[in-house]
Amino acid sequence: AQKVTQAQTEISVVEKEDVTLDCVYETRDTTYYLFWYKQPPSGELVFLIRRNSFDEQNEISGRYSWNFQKSTSSFNFTITASQVVDSAVYFCALSEAGAGNNRKLIWGLGTSLAVNP
Amino acid sequence: NAGVTQTPKFRILKIGQSMTLQCAQDMNHNYMYWYRQDPGMGLKLIYYSVGAGITDKGEVPNGYNVSRSTTEDFPLRLELAAPSQTSVYFCASSYRTSGSMQFFGPGTRLTVL
Repeated sequence: AQKVTQAQTEISVVEKEDVTLDCVYETRDTTYYLFWYKQPPSGELVFLIRRNSFDEQNEISGRYSWNFQKSTSSFNFTITASQVVDSAVYFCALSEAGAGNNRKLIWGLGTSLAVNP
Repeated sequence: NAGVTQTPKFRILKIGQSMTLQCAQDMNHNYMYWYRQDPGMGLKLIYYSVGAGITDKGEVPNGYNVSRSTTEDFPLRLELAAPSQTSVYFCASSYRTSGSMQFFGPGTRLTVL
């Protein structure tokens, strides 16, 4: 069965600290996609990244980086030198690509990140 | 390009009332979804559609109905509102291709009293 686990419910850091948000997934498919979304206090859902199962290269975008490891079924998200504007709930999600798939996303419960000045 | 739009932004209903949450997208996406997000929780799929005329249930469909008469619109109907339906409702859409990201609307905050 498909499942996404974000074990950290809440994280609180002080500005400029680095912080890593964990995401562990379960799937039987060999082809799948992983996503991270951000939900700031204003409530909208903002897409951050998509990674397919055949691409294990780490990705860096400014202060954000993602570490995808199939061996541990993890897709962790690191924010370097965190800022107050990074305060949000971050969701990890999984989409399987099998035949008949309806493109549903399986969502984790989210990690609430508070960056304090 | 407006993306995914939702109306209304906020609504208060009395128990037993009905209402329709509107969702429209202008990206010609085949796939559309309705989610609810309860306070402090993740997203739960209510209904989804893979194209005009085709809808299917998600995890939590009870108390809701949907229709998809056009590619653009995917309204969600609440019949006989109950306090348990107090939530934030998000509509999303995506391309047909595998692995496509979902684009979200701004959400509708619904309170049932």
